[in-house]
Amino acid sequence: DTAVSQTPKYLVTQMGNDKSIKCEQNLGHDTMYWYKQDSKKFLKIMFSYNNKELIINETVPNRFSPKSPDKAHLNLHINSLELGDSAVYFCASSSLAVPEFFGPGTRLTVL
Amino acid sequence: GENVEQHPSTLSVQEGDSAVIKCTYSDSASNYFPWYKQELGKGPQLIIDIRSNVGEKKDQRIAVTLNKTAKHFSLHITETQPEDSAVYFCAASGVYQKVTFGTGTKLQVIP
Repeated sequence: DTAVSQTPKYLVTQMGNDKSIKCEQNLGHDTMYWYKQDSKKFLKIMFSYNNKELIINETVPNRFSPKSPDKAHLNLHINSLELGDSAVYFCASSSLAVPEFFGPGTRLTVL
Repeated sequence: GENVEQHPSTLSVQEGDSAVIKCTYSDSASNYFPWYKQELGKGPQLIIDIRSNVGEKKDQRIAVTLNKTAKHFSLHITETQPEDSAVYFCAASGVYQKVTFGTGTKLQVIP
């Protein structure tokens, strides 16, 4: 059984479009995260939620909006996509003070 | 904010040899230091962690050491195997559980 799942795995879209990435964890963890990994493999925190409440909101453009409908889900909606948004986005969950299980990633390509 | 530096960026070792990856951090408030392994096309995997009240921790072939005074921590892999080949990330966690990642080390184990 997959612990942290993300959909879609690949997302190719045009500049200016709006898209969403979904994440679900079946581990019963209270904390979920979104990370962005750029082409140089650098991992940067975007958002962190604890029990549906936002606790970390890094300097991310407000075109990015996370939504946590319940403890097991954390979705990421991106408005007005730009070329620089192209990256791999990882969802993660944890029962620790650091991300414990990462999803398989969503490779976003903006054309 | 926290700054985590990681060296080397690439490391090649012969199978059976040891590999050492070193990191430094800047924020003395950081108190939790996880290490992640990322295989090609997958999300990072938490492999070991160490807290600031511990100087060393070992789990089979991997060990981590922490020098809080010098703000250094290291990952040691002994008896390397081809399946150890991956990108390894160190990280530091402090205030508000914000985790800052190092820039990654690509480890290649040559059979």
